[in-house]
Amino acid sequence: SAVISQKPSRDICQRGTSLTIQCQVDSQVTMMFWYRQQPGQSLTLIATANQGSEATYESGFVIDKFPISRPNLTFSTLTVSNMSPEDSSIYLCSGMGLAGVVGTDTQYFGPGTRLTVL
Amino acid sequence: QKEVEQNSGPLSVPEGAIASLNCTYSDRGSQSFFWYRQYSGKSPELIMSIYSNGDKEDGRFTAQLNKASQYVSLLIRDSQPSDSATYLCAVTGGTSYGKLTFGQGTILTVHP
Repeated sequence: SAVISQKPSRDICQRGTSLTIQCQVDSQVTMMFWYRQQPGQSLTLIATANQGSEATYESGFVIDKFPISRPNLTFSTLTVSNMSPEDSSIYLCSGMGLAGVVGTDTQYFGPGTRLTVL
Repeated sequence: QKEVEQNSGPLSVPEGAIASLNCTYSDRGSQSFFWYRQYSGKSPELIMSIYSNGDKEDGRFTAQLNKASQYVSLLIRDSQPSDSATYLCAVTGGTSYGKLTFGQGTILTVHP
C-alpha cells in the first residue's frame, strides 16, 4: 500500500485569497487524483493530476479555480484560488497504481485538508 | 453520467448482527468496485475491492457483485460498535479508468 500525506491538515482563510495544498506519496504511483468532500456529502472528483502536463478536470471544475501541478510521480499540489465560503470543504488527494505492481487500481487516500473560508 | 446510489440510511444494527449495505450503479462499463469506510473526521479507508461476479470474503466482510443487475453489496457479520462509520460505495472503469465515482454513503451505527 501507499502512505499519503497532505499539508496543511486544516486552514482557515479569508475570501478572495488562495491556498495551495500539497500531497506527498511515499511510493511512485501511476495516477494521482484530487477530490472534494463538502460538509455532509460524499467525495467528488475534481481532477486527475498528470505528471508533467496539465491536469484533466471533471465537469464543473476549471483550471483557473483549481490549478494543479504534478512535477513527479510522488508529489502534487492543488491550489484553491480566489476562495469563497462555498469552497469550504475537505480536499483529499489519492494515489493509484504503485510502480512495479501490475494490475492494481486500488486508490489510497491522504488524510485530507479541511478548509474553512470566512 | 455515471451514478452510484446507496441504500438510504442511517442504518442501525445491534452488536453481533449482520449489517447489509447496498449499492447500484448506472454505467454498465464499470469494471472495478470498492467499499470504503470513513470514520467521522477521517479520510476513506479501503475495506474491499471486487471485480468479478459473485462473493468475495475477507474476515467479517463479504462483498457481492452482480453485474447483470448492476448491484454490489457489503455484508458485515458479527457487527461491532467499532464498525460504526459511513460506508462509501465507489465504482470505476470503462472509459473512466481510475476515476472513482462515489455513492452518497450509508451511515452505519452498531449499538451495544
